[in-house]
Amino acid sequence: AQTVTQSQPEMSVQEAETVTLSCTYDTSESDYYLFWYKQPPSRQMILVIRQEAYKQQNATENRFSVNFQKAAKSFSLKISDSQLGDAAMYFCAYRSARTGGFKTIFGAGTRLFVKA
Amino acid sequence: GAGVSQSPSNKVTEKGKDVELRCDPISGHTALYWYRQSLGQGLEFLIYFQGNSAPDKSGLPSDRFSAERTGGSVSTLTIQRTQQEDSAVYLCASSPDTFWGTEAFFGQGTRLTVV
Repeated sequence: AQTVTQSQPEMSVQEAETVTLSCTYDTSESDYYLFWYKQPPSRQMILVIRQEAYKQQNATENRFSVNFQKAAKSFSLKISDSQLGDAAMYFCAYRSARTGGFKTIFGAGTRLFVKA
Repeated sequence: GAGVSQSPSNKVTEKGKDVELRCDPISGHTALYWYRQSLGQGLEFLIYFQGNSAPDKSGLPSDRFSAERTGGSVSTLTIQRTQQEDSAVYLCASSPDTFWGTEAFFGQGTRLTVV
């Protein structure tokens, strides 16, 4: 069974600085998708970024980028120029590309604090 | 609707009572998930419906929890004889569940408080 591990329960960053959130996963599959979700205090889960495992190029969305290391099964999220609005819970998630196995599996989350 | 809708937003119930939580997924989404999130914690998987397949109930914590999905659309999560440890936010999500790795879309959750 696949697992997703986020080893940092909490992280803190100064406004305008850069922070990296870690995520590792365990799978025997070769085709899958990885996601980072953000959950602000409003509780609404928002997709931040996604990565297809077959793509070597790291995904980027504005200030958010990932460092995808397939062999190491690592998928970290880098937030550049941190803003107060980035303060939230961040979840890493895995989704198989295998037919019949599409269940999304989430890590335990990392709470990010942004200091003004 | 435009997004995943959950009702009620908040529910306070007395210990021992039964509660029903409702989820209206995005139209056309074949996959539906229920998760539980205790205060400030991560997502605990409860149950997963995918099309007409038998649901994956492996995350249900006890036989007091059950869920159904009628007509491949609306889902109801039922908790019988509620306990104080059931207090949490219950999140529902849906996705098109195609090969192409579309993400899950979440509702805003139901905050359940058992007193």
